[in-house]
Amino acid sequence: DAGVIQSPRHEVTEMGQEVTLRCKPISGHDYLFWYRQTMMRGLELLIYFNNNVPIDDSGMPEDRFSAKMPNASFSTLKIQPSEPRDSAVYFCASSPGGPEAYEQYFGPGTRLTVT
Amino acid sequence: GQNIDQPTEMTATEGAIVQINCTYQTSGFNGLFWYQQHAGEAPTFLSYNVLDGLEEKGRFSSFLSRSKGYSYLLLKELQMKDSASYLCAVTDSNYQLIWGAGTKLIIKP
Repeated sequence: DAGVIQSPRHEVTEMGQEVTLRCKPISGHDYLFWYRQTMMRGLELLIYFNNNVPIDDSGMPEDRFSAKMPNASFSTLKIQPSEPRDSAVYFCASSPGGPEAYEQYFGPGTRLTVT
Repeated sequence: GQNIDQPTEMTATEGAIVQINCTYQTSGFNGLFWYQQHAGEAPTFLSYNVLDGLEEKGRFSSFLSRSKGYSYLLLKELQMKDSASYLCAVTDSNYQLIWGAGTKLIIKP
């Protein structure tokens, strides 16, 4: 398997623009997670899905952030409008089971810079 | 509140042994994970503990004491490639995964 695939790998955008990050989980994995990582705040869980249904979105910072999973092989994280404080590395991860007992497989991440 | 504490940074010598501690205060407990993250890369899974005791996997071992809210990751025969950040994460009673800030391990020759 190719592992978790994320695109783009790098994104530079101007404040106020819409940003869409994409993720393809490992085939057969029922759970998909979106994380954000910064030096100041470390790794933060934004939202996770089980069988394409959002289970916990308590980590989504505000209404500017939205995530969808239209099918088992694709998810998006959208930021609209983007702000400089959104600059971070965004990771997508998938796992065959729930977060309590199963290891998560992380994608390579998208490094987002908002100027 | 929920809290996971790890040392920010540690330094060790190639060939030696190092122990990275993690203490947690969470609402309930359903498991503890250790992940390794090299600079500029994604985290990768190292170990999982749900029962008290030591889990050994090659040069790496992880220990858990639920009564003390404490875990450690033990790395033996350190190699330069072990230079990385090590993240402790705990699943609480709501099955929410809480991540520590990570410990940056520097290996010197």
